[in-house]
Amino acid sequence: QSVLTQPPSASGTPGQRVTISCSGSSSNIGSNTVNWYQQLPGTAPKLLIYSNNQRPSGVPDRFSGSKSGTSASLAISGLQSEDEADYYCAAWDDSFHVFGTGTKVTVL
Amino acid sequence: QVQLQESGPGLVKPSETLSLTCTVSGGSISSYYWSWIRQPPGKGLEWIGYIYYSGSTNYNPSLKSRVTISVDTSKNQFSLKLSSVTAADTAVYYCAKMNTWFGELSAWFDPWGQGTLVTVSS
Repeated sequence: QSVLTQPPSASGTPGQRVTISCSGSSSNIGSNTVNWYQQLPGTAPKLLIYSNNQRPSGVPDRFSGSKSGTSASLAISGLQSEDEADYYCAAWDDSFHVFGTGTKVTVL
Repeated sequence: QVQLQESGPGLVKPSETLSLTCTVSGGSISSYYWSWIRQPPGKGLEWIGYIYYSGSTNYNPSLKSRVTISVDTSKNQFSLKLSSVTAADTAVYYCAKMNTWFGELSAWFDPWGQGTLVTVSS
């Protein structure tokens, strides 16, 4: 049912920069803010970025978010082994909420 | 800080009703929106619906006919009922607090409960 499309996987070596895209439409990303969640293996999702580009307290500044038109991106700079996780974008679409398809980040 | 804990049966029979409760500690349930989200094993996240502390609700259209979310402010809890369940409803169910600057349609989920696995099987 997801209307936000992400690449299934992304990878990089330690220290590299990895970018994850999130493609939506005018009714979701084009009209509303985007949030990003990180899900480490076997744990509940955790808020990573809110309101397109805001980092909650405690989230390293290696993580950054951006939005342009009907797409959004999450960038991880200086990739670390502990960043190996699933990442989900999310937005409101009209009056209901949608998550992206998810991207598994692997640290090589 | 606010913490959430899901509770309820881990096994539900097909065609029956799944019932879960989320207990909020470290803060009041009042003046906020609260959501249920689920994740089938090995799959992505699906938003189920939200409730405002006053009782107003909004549900995922794909589940709307089977979902009821309610709130008990005296117990600082909110609950989920999903009727006529099938194996497709097997998932980890999470509850989460919604935070927002400009109303519920700009909200983000934080924090989340640890999740509880509900299996639908006879």
